[in-house]
Amino acid sequence: DAGVTQSPTHLIKTRGQQVTLRCSPKSGHDTVSWYQQALGQGPQFIFQYYEEEERQRGNFPDRFSGHQFPNYSSELNVNALLLGDSALYLCASSRPLPSSGANVLTFGAGSRLTVL
Amino acid sequence: AQRVTQPEKLLSVFKGAPVELKCNYSYSGSPELFWYVQYSRQRLQLLLRHISRESIKGFTADLNKGETSFHLKKPFAQEEDSAMYYCALISLGTGFQKLVFGTGTRLLVSP
Repeated sequence: DAGVTQSPTHLIKTRGQQVTLRCSPKSGHDTVSWYQQALGQGPQFIFQYYEEEERQRGNFPDRFSGHQFPNYSSELNVNALLLGDSALYLCASSRPLPSSGANVLTFGAGSRLTVL
Repeated sequence: AQRVTQPEKLLSVFKGAPVELKCNYSYSGSPELFWYVQYSRQRLQLLLRHISRESIKGFTADLNKGETSFHLKKPFAQEEDSAMYYCALISLGTGFQKLVFGTGTRLLVSP
């Protein structure tokens, strides 16, 4: 099992552009969460997807949107990029509730976005 | 509001010295607390969770509800413990798994 896989690993965009990041959850996991980790900060919750719907959202503007596919993989889209969007974007997956360990997140290696 | 505070950005110790990474939280319900670790060039991974009450790699953490703390301890630090440590909490029973992280503490163990 490859665990949580994310692509691309690194990318550079300019202000105003749009970006799509992708995530495949760990086998057996059905819930995908996205986090933004700015330099020197802890990860900040963006949103969570379950059964192809956004279940919970953090304090992020509507420029941040997502999608979950029937195979549980997920995309994070960011429109109208700002310099402040430069960060490591982490995807995390978890097991179905209420299974044992459902509250334990497995993280991917992240996609590092640089906005110039 | 849910909040996790890690007051130290950097903790530097010598090999064999005791280590305590501090974590305080604020949450009105019954949180579940975690410690995640990120070694150099590796992904964020779970170190331990309070409900397991286990010792991982010699680390332990006790939830103190009175002091709203969940400090991470190890009696004898090793060089391979050098990493970034994040304390996090999750709300129980809400039907979704949202982790709230602290800002992290970098542990540097010198020989």
